[in-house]
Amino acid sequence: AQTVTQSQPEMSVQEAETVTLSCTYDTSESDYYLFWYKQPPSRQMILVIRQEAYKQQNATENRFSVNFQKAAKSFSLKISDSQLGDAAMYFCAYRSPAGGTSYGKLTFGQGTILTVHP
Amino acid sequence: DTGVSQNPRHKITKRGQNVTFRCDPISEHNRLYWYRQTLGQGPEFLTYFQNEAQLEKSRLLSDRFSAERPKGSFSTLEIQRTEQGDSAMYLCASSLGANTGELFFGEGSRLTVL
Repeated sequence: AQTVTQSQPEMSVQEAETVTLSCTYDTSESDYYLFWYKQPPSRQMILVIRQEAYKQQNATENRFSVNFQKAAKSFSLKISDSQLGDAAMYFCAYRSPAGGTSYGKLTFGQGTILTVHP
Repeated sequence: DTGVSQNPRHKITKRGQNVTFRCDPISEHNRLYWYRQTLGQGPEFLTYFQNEAQLEKSRLLSDRFSAERPKGSFSTLEIQRTEQGDSAMYLCASSLGANTGELFFGEGSRLTVL
């Protein structure tokens, strides 16, 4: 079974600075998908960024980018120019490819609480 | 609002009572997932529907838990004879097939068992 580990229960950053959230995972599959989801307090979880394992290029979405190291099974999220609205719980998640027995379900890490200081 | 809708948002019940949560997915989404999230933890998979068929259930889903998705539209999650350990946030998510990879989540239904 796949596992996802986020070793940083809490992180903090000053507004406008850069912060990196860490994630490692364990799998025997060669093809899979990785995600970062954001869960603001009392609000629904939303997708931040997605990475397909077969793509060597790291995904980028505006101020959010990932450092995907497939051999090391590492998938970190970098948030540049942090904003107060970035404060949330961030979850790293793993998904097996379509056609497998996972039916697209996600396996989540424990989460990292990000605090943004003005 | 065309997002995933969950009701009720918060349910407080006494131990031993039955509770039911409802999830209305995004209308064209054929896949529906239930997750449970305890405070400070990541969501844990409970069960999955493709249309009306329940295709996978986690071992976390004891016999007291039952989920349905009649007609492949909304879904209900019922917990019978609730226990204090059932207190958690129950999240519903939907997706259109598996290839897109993105699950859209509702705001969750928080259960408190006294």
